[in-house]
Amino acid sequence: DAGVTQSPTHLIKTRGQQVTLRCSPKSGHDTVSWYQQALGQGPQFIFQYYEEEERQRGNFPDRFSGHQFPNYSSELNVNALLLGDSALYLCASSPGQGKGETQYFGPGTRLLVL
Amino acid sequence: GNSVTQMEGPVTLSEEAFLTINCTYTATGYPSLFWYVQYPGEGLQLLLKATKADDKGSNKGFEATYRKETTSFHLEKGSVQVSDSAVYFCALNNQAGTALIFGKGTTLSVSS
Repeated sequence: DAGVTQSPTHLIKTRGQQVTLRCSPKSGHDTVSWYQQALGQGPQFIFQYYEEEERQRGNFPDRFSGHQFPNYSSELNVNALLLGDSALYLCASSPGQGKGETQYFGPGTRLLVL
Repeated sequence: GNSVTQMEGPVTLSEEAFLTINCTYTATGYPSLFWYVQYPGEGLQLLLKATKADDKGSNKGFEATYRKETTSFHLEKGSVQVSDSAVYFCALNNQAGTALIFGKGTTLSVSS
């Protein structure tokens, strides 16, 4: 049973560029959440998707957007990249609308903005 | 809103020593509580969880008890191994139950 997978594993971009990160949830999970983990910090919640809609959003600007597909996979898009967007981006999946459920994390995508 | 406070690290121990990592929380309602572990260069792995007061989560020799009266969820292990060296995160659900709120993490380093 495959766990949560993310691609790419590493990415280097320059300021002002746009990036798309991808996530496939664990089999049987329909809810996907995205987190940003800066170096030396705990992960911070970006948003959660369920039934192809953004259900809840953390304290992140509109430059951060996402999408969920009918097969439950998800994308995170970040526009107009800033140096401060350099971080590990983690995707987590959970079953049954995700409310109160355990979230299972992927290995992350490490983004470096130069 | 819900929040979690975790002891600062790093924690440095010798193999077979006893481990405690303190975690306290502030919450409305009755959130689930979690400990996640992050090995170098990897994502987060669920270590254990507890969903209600007095529940004890356990896995791989680690234990934590959901203490409502002290709003705590301290992580313990009786005898640590070098392979336990990692960063440990305490977390709880937000009020809506949709997101996890994490502590800043505690780095554990175990030497032989």
